[in-house]
Amino acid sequence: NAGVTQTPKFQVLKTGQSMTLQCAQDMNHEYMSWYRQDPGMGLRLIHYSVGAGITDQGEVPNGYNVSRSTTEDFPLRLLSAAPSQTSVYFCASSALGGKYNEQFFGPGTRLTVL
Amino acid sequence: AQKITQTQPGMFVQEKEAVTLDCTYDTSDPSYGLFWYKQPSSGEMIFLIYQGSYDQQNATEGRYSLNFQKARKSANLVISASQLGDSAMYFCAMREAVISGGGADGLTFGKGTHLIIQP
Repeated sequence: NAGVTQTPKFQVLKTGQSMTLQCAQDMNHEYMSWYRQDPGMGLRLIHYSVGAGITDQGEVPNGYNVSRSTTEDFPLRLLSAAPSQTSVYFCASSALGGKYNEQFFGPGTRLTVL
Repeated sequence: AQKITQTQPGMFVQEKEAVTLDCTYDTSDPSYGLFWYKQPSSGEMIFLIYQGSYDQQNATEGRYSLNFQKARKSANLVISASQLGDSAMYFCAMREAVISGGGADGLTFGKGTHLIIQP
């Protein structure tokens, strides 16, 4: 199992450009989510999904879109990049249900917006 | 109000000593889970230990244990016999069992503690 994979690892964008951060998992997890990590901060939830066709907003959703067409993939789209979106982005997945649902994290994507 | 508070931005500890990293949380949900993650300088998030709100015993995983004091809303991580490889950022996080809008909320993280183990 590859676990949670993210591409690219690094990306530099100019203000106003759009791009998609890719996330895939091979553990058949229903739940997937995107977080951003800024210096001196913990991770903050951007968007999440509890299954194909179902997405919802987290704490900091503005400027980002997501979709979930398959169980495996959960791409994050930046519509018009801004310097405030410079951050490290983590994708995570977990099973749903039960009392203990460890979230498995991808390696992260470091994004710089100039 | 912050849901997860980690009051120690940084800590220096001598190798082989025990370390306690503080975490307090705030929730009105009776069903929740508390997690600790380690983030080394390489950047990945490594799961360490989990404590459920209804668990009767404190969680342990090898050198890691969680000192869970429910009435005080405290979930401190204890690392016994610290090693140089323990130097990293440590994050406390909580997942509440709130179902809203048909979905399930993610993790809420604290700001982390930067632990440095000195030889």
